[in-house]
Amino acid sequence: EAQVTQNPRYLITVTGKKLTVTCSQNMNHEYMSWYRQDPGLGLRQIYYSMNVEVTDKGDVPEGYKVSRKEKRNFPLILESPSPNQTSLYFCASSLAGYSPLHFGNGTRLTVT
Amino acid sequence: SQQGEEDPQALSIQEGENATMNCSYKTSINNLQWYRQNSGRGLVHLILIRSNEREKHSGRLRVTLDTSKKSSSLLITASRAADTASYFCATDDQGGSEKLVFGKGTKLTVNP
Repeated sequence: EAQVTQNPRYLITVTGKKLTVTCSQNMNHEYMSWYRQDPGLGLRQIYYSMNVEVTDKGDVPEGYKVSRKEKRNFPLILESPSPNQTSLYFCASSLAGYSPLHFGNGTRLTVT
Repeated sequence: SQQGEEDPQALSIQEGENATMNCSYKTSINNLQWYRQNSGRGLVHLILIRSNEREKHSGRLRVTLDTSKKSSSLLITASRAADTASYFCATDDQGGSEKLVFGKGTKLTVNP
């Protein structure tokens, strides 16, 4: 089954404790992206990747890192999480940047 | 970055009625996409309409695009309770940034 898999589904952590949210897709997609969704602010792009070893900032990249060492994986790293990063995070992939996106089921992160 | 804006923010109708949601955007686009999100879950792609298309159908969905007015509408006919969800439009950027930008969504409630 074609899918984007994010883990974990829920995560509660404390300020400053490094964490990684994993994302994997099995569709051989070139393009992958991370979004955060907050009430009243909609979906905002954090980082995206056009291909392996190619990543670029989205609209809200501060406090986040990504890497794309393999085509299928695109982890999101929070080196020192802060409470303002409490949000619902989505990973998505597509054939190319303008193509329809396939979304994961989301990771609800709480930073206390 | 440009952003689609959906209107209305919320819509409540009875089962069997039609639901119309609108999206306006600011700059020229290559295509416009509509997505659905069930509460807290990942977005699901519904339909893509290219800038040279005026109307597109998919089952009970009808999408129109008016590039002169920079607007699109999504019509769901004969709505069902299962259509209850948030609906988002997403636009690309002809400037070549290879990313989709999402609006804040319309929350549709279909009452049985």
